[in-house]
Amino acid sequence: EPEVTQTPSHQVTQMGQEVILRCVPISNHLYFYWYRQILGQKVEFLVSFYNNEISEKSEIFDDQFSVERPDGSNFTLKIRSTKLEDSAMYFCASSKWTGVPHEQYFGPGTRLTVT
Amino acid sequence: SQQGEEDPQALSIQEGENATMNCSYKTSINNLQWYRQNSGRGLVHLILIRSNEREKHSGRLRVTLDTSKKSSSLLITASRAADTASYFCATDPSNTGNQFYFGTGTSLTVIP
Repeated sequence: EPEVTQTPSHQVTQMGQEVILRCVPISNHLYFYWYRQILGQKVEFLVSFYNNEISEKSEIFDDQFSVERPDGSNFTLKIRSTKLEDSAMYFCASSKWTGVPHEQYFGPGTRLTVT
Repeated sequence: SQQGEEDPQALSIQEGENATMNCSYKTSINNLQWYRQNSGRGLVHLILIRSNEREKHSGRLRVTLDTSKKSSSLLITASRAADTASYFCATDPSNTGNQFYFGTGTSLTVIP
């Protein structure tokens, strides 16, 4: 069964450094998402992406964040200058469409630790 | 906030017993979905129930939805130790775009 994959599974970085989290969505899906989950807290929406542009973003997704689909398979989340509070599990998700209803398929997550 | 809230926050039962988790939300929704998360792992989609449905079954899972009370329940029957995980409800509000709103989750422990 096709699945969303994410790399790396764990990334440790120093405060102020840039990180790029990578995702390979399911191949015939057209809509892509990033969510994050700070330890012990809710899963929170960051951004959705369709047709090479951002569809929606939350208040969390400030100028430090950017997303890109550099080729036909990868979907990336970049954090330009990481802060301690960016430490979280980051989940990528994809869906075939956004009609009602739609299922979003989640990847296993990348645990980001900012020291 | 449109986010859901699950209760209980934590639930511990013996293998073979049934586990019931509840989710409440605040706004009208298109559908509600339940996800499972094993410790430190990704989210696994369990079941989706549309706003015009009241009950849905999938294997040992039974989900109900009461839109008048803005609540849903997830019942796992004949629980197994392998069901130990956190369970989250996620809503797809009808007045927003494509983002899902997740609840706080119920941590289920099934004791062998």
